[in-house]
This record gives sequence, structure tokens and C-alpha cells, in this order.
Amino acid sequence: QSALTQPASVSGSPGQSITISCTGTSSDVGGNNFVSWYQQYPGKAPKLIIFEVTNRPSGVSNRFSASKSGNTASLTISGLQAEDEADYYCSSYATGDTFAVFGGGTKLTVL
Amino acid sequence: QVQLVESGGGVVQPGKSLRLSCAASGFSFSNYAIHWVRQAPGKGLEWVAVISYDGGSNFYAGSVRGRFTISRDNSKSTVFLQMNTLRPEDSGVYYCGRLYSQYDFNFYGLDVWGQGTKVTVSS
Repeated sequence: QSALTQPASVSGSPGQSITISCTGTSSDVGGNNFVSWYQQYPGKAPKLIIFEVTNRPSGVSNRFSASKSGNTASLTISGLQAEDEADYYCSSYATGDTFAVFGGGTKLTVL
Repeated sequence: QVQLVESGGGVVQPGKSLRLSCAASGFSFSNYAIHWVRQAPGKGLEWVAVISYDGGSNFYAGSVRGRFTISRDNSKSTVFLQMNTLRPEDSGVYYCGRLYSQYDFNFYGLDVWGQGTKVTVSS
């Protein structure tokens, strides 16, 4: 099963909004509501920022929001801040030959 | 506090074995499924394996199926990943993560992660 497709990089200026897409198939993103997103700083463990497509864990800024349409999920970060500069990964429960799949990751640069 | 701590990584030759441990504390370990996720140097995250809260169910990525075995000892709040017939492409940092909802066996999201343990497979 192939990884979910994310753009390799996105960038934005402080205060702006950016959106990261995550495209899968009907066997993963399109087939359930178990899409999650993670933020990862270099050398650190990933941090859950979105679960079950749209939900934020306690303590995660409401500047992070997410949605899904068909086989594509999206993460939006509004009011960009320097501290948002990190790698972002989508993931999904999957059926078939695997149980879960991650996207290739997107490097966010805050200009 | 709620935490997971991985250990057991190291340098190993191709074809050899290694056993990783993921020790939990600060929460009711036996209520949660645990996943292993790895990250090759400079690469993205790759899901590896999952074990249910009671150890009765598990699943593996195709790339490790038949070579890796996940198990748990709820009396010791620890999950293990036995890795056999290791290959260079198995190198990377291995993380364990807790499924955020109790008594479930899915991939809604991993809300607690360890710091990772590094595995290097090289001759």
C-alpha cells in the first residue's frame, strides 16, 4: 500500500494561512473518518494535532483545523507563527494489506 | 506523568535480531492499544505494527510481516517488538505510540509517543 500523498513543502508568512493536502484512496482516507495529523520538529517525536479528521486534542491551538472531502484530507494552519515551522504528517486507518498509512510529510517554512 | 519510553536499539548486522521495548507509566496501560512507527534517516514516518489492549490482536506492515513480532506484558506495562532477519532498510528511529481511545483497536490517532530508539542495520 502506497503512502498518502502530501506536498513536499509549503511556505507562508507570519499571520497568513496555509493548507496542506493529503490524498489517499477509498481504502484509507476516503473509506473512513480516522484521519489524523502530526507535527514533528527535527529530532523530536511526532505530536498529535488532529484526530478523527477534524478533532483537536486538548492543548492544541485552534489555529489548527482540518477537513476531508472524498479521498483527500486537508490541514489548515491560520495565523502562521514562527513556531509552526515543522514537518507535518497525515495518516489514516487503512484496509487491505495494511492497518495504517502515513503521508510522506510536508515541510512547512515560515518566511 | 503519562509517558512511553523505548529502549533496545543499537547497531546490528544484516540478518541478525533485535528486541525493542516500550515501557509505559502514568496511565492504565492495559486499556490501550500500542503501535510501533519508524522513521528512516531523513525520511517520513512509516507505520510498523499494532497490538490490541489485551494482546489478543495484532497487525503488521507488509514490509515487516513474518520478520517482526509484537507482544505485550500488561503486568509490566511493556510492549515488545522482536525484529528478526533485519535488513539495512529497517534502519531508523523506532517510536511506540498509544492509541488515544481506550479498549479500541484502530488508528484514530496516537496521542502519546516515546522519544524513540535508534536501530542501525549495517555490516
